[in-house]
Amino acid sequence: AQKITQTQPGMFVQEKEAVTLDCTYDTSDQSYGLFWYKQPSSGEMIFLIYQGSYDEQNATEGRYSLNFQKARKSANLVISASQLGDSAMYFCAMREGPFSGGYNKLIFGAGTRLAVHP
Amino acid sequence: EAGVTQFPSHSVIEKGQTVTLRCDPISGHDNLYWYRRVMGKEIKFLLHFVKESKQDESGMPNNRFLAERTGGTYSTLKVQPAELEDSGVYFCASSQTAGGSHNEQFFGPGTRLTVL
Repeated sequence: AQKITQTQPGMFVQEKEAVTLDCTYDTSDQSYGLFWYKQPSSGEMIFLIYQGSYDEQNATEGRYSLNFQKARKSANLVISASQLGDSAMYFCAMREGPFSGGYNKLIFGAGTRLAVHP
Repeated sequence: EAGVTQFPSHSVIEKGQTVTLRCDPISGHDNLYWYRRVMGKEIKFLLHFVKESKQDESGMPNNRFLAERTGGTYSTLKVQPAELEDSGVYFCASSQTAGGSHNEQFFGPGTRLTVL
């Protein structure tokens, strides 16, 4: 069965330091996509970064990078140079199956709450 | 460009009452999804519309939940009658039919439903 596991219910980091949020997944599909979303206290879900199962390079988006280790089925999010505004809930999610026009539901992990300290 | 909007932001009702949640997707997005997060648990998929058709409703918990998307624009999710376990945050998301290799889903702010 498809599953996303985020083992860190809470993390904290000092401002300007880097932090890694863990995510492991379980799927029998060869084609899938992995997403990270950020949910600040205001409640909206903000898309951060995407990694496709066939992408050979790790995804990067500004201060966000995804450490994709396919053999270990892990897709950890790395936030560099943490800022106070990074304090939020972070969700890892997976879309199974080949991309087919956005038809695929997302499966979410339980989330990790990140606190950035000044 | 306006994002996904949801109404109301909060709803408090009594067990047995009816509540209707509304979602307006991003203009032009054919795909509309409903998810919910019950307190302390993962965000769970409820159903997926492609335009006005239900593509996947495998996550709908029971027949007390009814989702519609008439005309392929906004969607409503009705809970009738509401039970205590329906409390949670209901998220709506939308995506384009062909929006790139990952076709990200854009989420609304959610509706927090409390059933007393």
